[in-house]
Amino acid sequence: GAVVSQHPSRVICKSGTSVKIECRSLDFQATTMFWYRQFPKQSLMLMATSNEGSKATYEQGVEKDKFLINHASLTLSTLTVTSAHPEDSSFYICSAIDRTSVAYEQYFGPGTRLTVT
Amino acid sequence: AQTVTQSQPEMSVQEAETVTLSCTYDTSESDYYLFWYKQPPSRQMILVIRQEAYKQQNATENRFSVNFQKAAKSFSLKISDSQLGDAAMYFCALPWAGSYQLTFGKGTKLSVIP
Repeated sequence: GAVVSQHPSRVICKSGTSVKIECRSLDFQATTMFWYRQFPKQSLMLMATSNEGSKATYEQGVEKDKFLINHASLTLSTLTVTSAHPEDSSFYICSAIDRTSVAYEQYFGPGTRLTVT
Repeated sequence: AQTVTQSQPEMSVQEAETVTLSCTYDTSESDYYLFWYKQPPSRQMILVIRQEAYKQQNATENRFSVNFQKAAKSFSLKISDSQLGDAAMYFCALPWAGSYQLTFGKGTKLSVIP
């Protein structure tokens, strides 16, 4: 099946610094990827849709200048949390669409736990 | 607007028994997919099963099956012969009309009692 990787799996950073999270589709091309945030014991909250070669589409309430998304290739999307603060600590998950799939299913990465101290 | 409702925040089942997780949804589309995803403690989202709305036959994947009632907009997941590894959060999901974006339910935490 389609595999999506995320790196790093865990990251700790100091308040005010930036951190980059990578999302890769390993065995398929993904023109569309999604970035989610998940708080403990809650569902996934869509942050943005990342489209290869174009600007990301952000959900209402998500600061585009804080959460920079770049989708420069068909297999890689990155999420950069800029000037991180403790309230940005969360679990971030990416997913990718395999457009050769007959269904609209998303394949998920294993997630990245971000802790801002 | 699409909605997905999972009315059971937590469920428990004895090992080897059967459990059913509920999901209701609302959409104006006539043809769509529905998904159940599993999120174990590792937090890796795993696709459990999918159903195409135009197919009357309920989807089945080994011990997992669905009861899809299109008119009632109900999509429940049945897990037979429950195993300890089935313990996880389960999310019901519906794609947005004409889009790949998903609307997720709030999830049901399933515990399996040995």
